Amino acid sequence: ETGVTQSPTHLIKTRGQQVTLRCSSQSGHNTVSWYQQALGQGPQFIFQYYREEENGRGNFPPRFSGLQFPNYSSELNVNALELDDSALYLCASSQGTSGRTDTQYFGPGTRLTVL
Amino acid sequence: TQLLEQSPQFLSIQEGENLTVYCNSSSVFSSLQWYRQEPGEGPVLLVTVVTGGEVKKLKRLTFQFGDARKDSSLHITAAQPGDTGLYLCAGDRGSTLGRLYFGRGTQLTVWP
Repeated sequence: ETGVTQSPTHLIKTRGQQVTLRCSSQSGHNTVSWYQQALGQGPQFIFQYYREEENGRGNFPPRFSGLQFPNYSSELNVNALELDDSALYLCASSQGTSGRTDTQYFGPGTRLTVL
Repeated sequence: TQLLEQSPQFLSIQEGENLTVYCNSSSVFSSLQWYRQEPGEGPVLLVTVVTGGEVKKLKRLTFQFGDARKDSSLHITAAQPGDTGLYLCAGDRGSTLGRLYFGRGTQLTVWP
């Protein structure tokens, strides 16, 4: 039990639609990172938010966007869904000023299927 | 292209056997972490190694960080069915971002 929750657990969308995934971090954790884990792959870094500002981004297009709120919740939004977006989306929260070397606590993930 | 290469990708063994999983890279990491992931769940941190040459033990699991901080290994002694899961290595390159680079994982199945 990491204290990080995600919703929904599963989601099915069709190509071109938009989706919002939600994450609730551990209380006091100022940093949240989002990862995409395709089937048979390790998680890939999407972006990180620190105190409601994007703090860095991986190799993902702008249609992947996020928000972080003062109540330790955050969102991942994906526009114009493509079939390759089908994956497990993980959020991870960490304490500290930048997330550097801090332990990241992962949520259970949201399984997104795009048809 | 994965920054961290894990091998083997799949491992199927009998209870009581020993096994080693490898995590290799041409890049240097400030720290390297090992996670275990069960189906339908997120990765759970097992250990973090920080110093080159460091060895950490967690019951029957032994983790080693290479001297050059480019590789790591996970050794399990006398594997049990409860060890079944996906083992992931992840490296931190020491930027202020704290971004983790994951390997593809090793799916371990231990048969009774």
